Amino acid sequence: ILNVEQSPQSLHVQEGDSTNFTCSFPSSNFYALHWYRWETAKSPEALFVMTLNGDEKKKGRISATLNTKEGYSYLYIKGSQPEDSATYLCALVEYGNKLVFGAGTILRVKS
Amino acid sequence: DAGITQSPRHKVTETGTPVTLRCHQTENHRYMYWYRQDPGHGLRLIHYSYGVKDTDKGEVSDGYSVSRSKTEDFLLTLESATSSQTSVYFCAISIGQEGDTGELFFGEGSRLTVL
Repeated sequence: ILNVEQSPQSLHVQEGDSTNFTCSFPSSNFYALHWYRWETAKSPEALFVMTLNGDEKKKGRISATLNTKEGYSYLYIKGSQPEDSATYLCALVEYGNKLVFGAGTILRVKS
Repeated sequence: DAGITQSPRHKVTETGTPVTLRCHQTENHRYMYWYRQDPGHGLRLIHYSYGVKDTDKGEVSDGYSVSRSKTEDFLLTLESATSSQTSVYFCAISIGQEGDTGELFFGEGSRLTVL
């Protein structure tokens, strides 16, 4: 099972700040990388599915990039809002469609 | 919208008792998963299924078994519950097309407390 690491563990920013976090993994032996947003007391919801080196995805103020050669993916949030406060998870899709998650980055946006 | 229901949503049980959690989907998605939520670990994969009677272990499968006798139901069983199995359990389905690495759609979670 691949080891998925996310950094930082937590982040506190002011409303309007832009922020980014990292998902890193040791190799390119996977089929896709997913990003999920997980609000407190709710279920995780998918943000992006990324499969190709150099992939870039965007949804509103949130975007993500994937670099399989160097083993990382970045998630960016432009102009953070209090409603962006959540835990952001990345997951690797291994052979057989097995998804392994990182521990997540907790984002708190203060108004 | 993918329909997925977990039951029970809340359960309190005693150490040593068996517990079964049920995940039910209303569509014929092939892949189903059971995860547990643990502070500092995010979601950890317990078992997953890639078809009827086809299952495989995840990262934390010890103490858990699963069964999938029909496409729509994926059962997670704790044969003899321990306090370390107190957690919130999430079922998920992969809603991508066959062969795609589709995103997961999660159930609402089942909170299990083992006293």
